[in-house]
Amino acid sequence: GENVEQHPSTLSVQEGDSAVIKCTYSDSASNYFPWYKQELGKRPQLIIDIRSNVGEKKDQRIAVTLNKTAKHFSLHITETQPEDSAVYFCAAREGNQAGTALIFGKGTTLSVSS
Amino acid sequence: GAGVSQSPRYKVAKRGQDVALRCDPISGHVSLFWYQQALGQGPEFLTYFQNEAQLDKSGLPSDRFFAERPEGSVSTLKIQRTQQEDSAVYLCASSARGLADNEQFFGPGTRLTVL
Repeated sequence: GENVEQHPSTLSVQEGDSAVIKCTYSDSASNYFPWYKQELGKRPQLIIDIRSNVGEKKDQRIAVTLNKTAKHFSLHITETQPEDSAVYFCAAREGNQAGTALIFGKGTTLSVSS
Repeated sequence: GAGVSQSPRYKVAKRGQDVALRCDPISGHVSLFWYQQALGQGPEFLTYFQNEAQLDKSGLPSDRFFAERPEGSVSTLKIQRTQQEDSAVYLCASSARGLADNEQFFGPGTRLTVL
């Protein structure tokens, strides 16, 4: 089955700097890769996702890149702000069939200091 | 509209007790997933429903775990004879259609503590 590795596990940046989180996956059939942000004690919320037919997607300060050949994808946050501090999870949809589960990485705790 | 809701938000159980956790998905959402999130970890898949049909229960850790969605809307995750290792946050997520790449909307979770 699918396996997702995520690193780093913790990331500390100064406000205004960029942050990059990287994930690798194992199942070449996977074709959907969402990123979730989870604040302490709250539900995971989707911040951006990418499908395997594109290599990059951007939404304001957030971008995701996907390298299908190398089976890795990355989250890029520019101009970080203190409210970006949270745990970020990458995920890959196991296989490509309807109704298959998301397989999550172990998370990256991002701390943005002002 | 209302998002995914779960109840109770917190549950403390003595080892050996049975518990039932409820999930109310977004109205009209076909797909419903249950995940288990241990402290400091990412969510781990437990089971999946498409309407009332449980299509995948491969993630359920033991036969003490049982889930149902009898009318294709509300779902209940039941854990029998709880053990300390069952302590975790149980997350429910729903998505609009039976297609795999639809956004999954998560509920706030139920934090289960087994003493």
